[in-house]
Amino acid sequence: EAGVVQSPRYKIIEKKQPVAFWCNPISGHNTLYWYRQNLGQGPELLIRYENEEAVDDSQLPKDRFSAERLKGVDSTLKIQPAELGDSAVYLCASSLGGSGHKETQYFGPGTRLLVL
Amino acid sequence: GDSVTQMEGPVTLSEEAFLTINCTYTATGYPSLFWYVQYPGEGLQLLLKATKADDKGSNKGFEATYRKETTSFHLEKGSVQVSDSAVYFCALKAGGSEKLVFGKGTKLTVNP
Repeated sequence: EAGVVQSPRYKIIEKKQPVAFWCNPISGHNTLYWYRQNLGQGPELLIRYENEEAVDDSQLPKDRFSAERLKGVDSTLKIQPAELGDSAVYLCASSLGGSGHKETQYFGPGTRLLVL
Repeated sequence: GDSVTQMEGPVTLSEEAFLTINCTYTATGYPSLFWYVQYPGEGLQLLLKATKADDKGSNKGFEATYRKETTSFHLEKGSVQVSDSAVYFCALKAGGSEKLVFGKGTKLTVNP
């Protein structure tokens, strides 16, 4: 069974440019998460989707970040415009949904973003 | 708020040595506890988990016991291998929450 797929794996852009990341979750997983992992830190949740609905976006910097999950499957995370401090690894994860705190999240390989 | 504290790394061991990585937590209610591992250039993989007090999670020779009285979930392995070199993250999900809260990670290097 395929895991969580993310693309691109690496992205280098200049500040003020836009950038987008794509995620395809494990088939059948209703819940999708986007995390940001700064160097030397653990991942931090940006947004969580239940199907196509964003149910927790409290940590998403909405002035420059946006996300969508049309049709409740693939998701895109966008930054516009990017700032130097956005350099990080952006991780996508998915889970079946419905089992609350006992449920396991499965992570993709991440997109490593460098903003120059 | 909910938080996880891990021992700071990096940790360097020789092959076949005993490993302990300490993890303590602060959470409301009764969280589920997880250890994730991140190998170089890869995403996070679930290593083991425990969902209630006194549960022991185990996988690939690694073990961790959910200790409610000490709010701890220390990771142990009796004999590490070079292939265990990675970054290990302790994490929790508080009761009723879908949000994973991670520690900062502990980098382990195992030398032959």
